[in-house]
Amino acid sequence: RKEVEQDPGPFNVPEGATVAFNCTYSNSASQSFFWYRQDCRKEPKLLMSVYSSGNEDGRFTAQLNRASQYISLLIRDSKLSDSATYLCVVSANYGQNFVFGPGTRLSVLP
Amino acid sequence: NAGVMQNPRHLVRRRGQEARLRCSPMKGHSHVYWYRQLPEEGLKFMVYLQKENIIDESGMPKERFSAEFPKEGPSILRIQQVVRGDSAAYFCASSLDSLNSPLHFGNGTRLTVT
Repeated sequence: RKEVEQDPGPFNVPEGATVAFNCTYSNSASQSFFWYRQDCRKEPKLLMSVYSSGNEDGRFTAQLNRASQYISLLIRDSKLSDSATYLCVVSANYGQNFVFGPGTRLSVLP
Repeated sequence: NAGVMQNPRHLVRRRGQEARLRCSPMKGHSHVYWYRQLPEEGLKFMVYLQKENIIDESGMPKERFSAEFPKEGPSILRIQQVVRGDSAAYFCASSLDSLNSPLHFGNGTRLTVT
C-alpha cells in the first residue's frame, strides 16, 4: 500500500460545480497535512494547511479525519482557473519528512 | 521577502557533461529538499539537507548525483556525466522547520540533455 493515496482522476467538471478530492495516508503518526496545487509545467504551490478541526479559505474547505487517516479538499463554485493537479502532502516522522500523493488532476470546463 | 530562488531556469547539456543546479532557500529557512519530476509524472523525492548535512538521500541515484548545502551559499544539486534520462524538471523546496511548516517551492530548473 502506498503511503499517500489520492483519487486517480482526472476530474472534468463544469464551471460552478462543487468538487471533492480525497486522500488517505498510512502513517498514523503523521502530524501535518497540506494541500498543494500544481499547474502544468509549474512548481507546486501551497493551497492550504489542514487542521484537525477543519478549515476554510474562501471557496476551499479542508477536512481531516485522524481516526480514518483521511483528508479531503472541497472546492465550491469552481472556476476555470482552478484547473490544476491537486497534491495531498503528509508529514512523515522519518528522513524526507514529507510524502506527496500522486495528485488528482482537475479540469474545469466552460 | 524573496521566495525560493532556483537557477538557471533552463539548462541544456550534452550527454557526458556536468549539470549544476542552484537553490537559495527562503530567508530564515534551513531545510532544503530536492525533487525531480518527469513529464506527466509526479514529484519524486531526491534528497533532504540541512546546513552542511545530508539528512536523507534515499531518493538520489547511487551514481553521478550529489547534493550539498554549505554553510554559506546556495544548495547545489550536481549531476555528472548527464544522460538523456536525466532530462526533467528539478524542484527545490525549503521549510522553516522539519515537520510542521509547509514546503515552499522554487520555480524549478528544466534540464534538457541532448
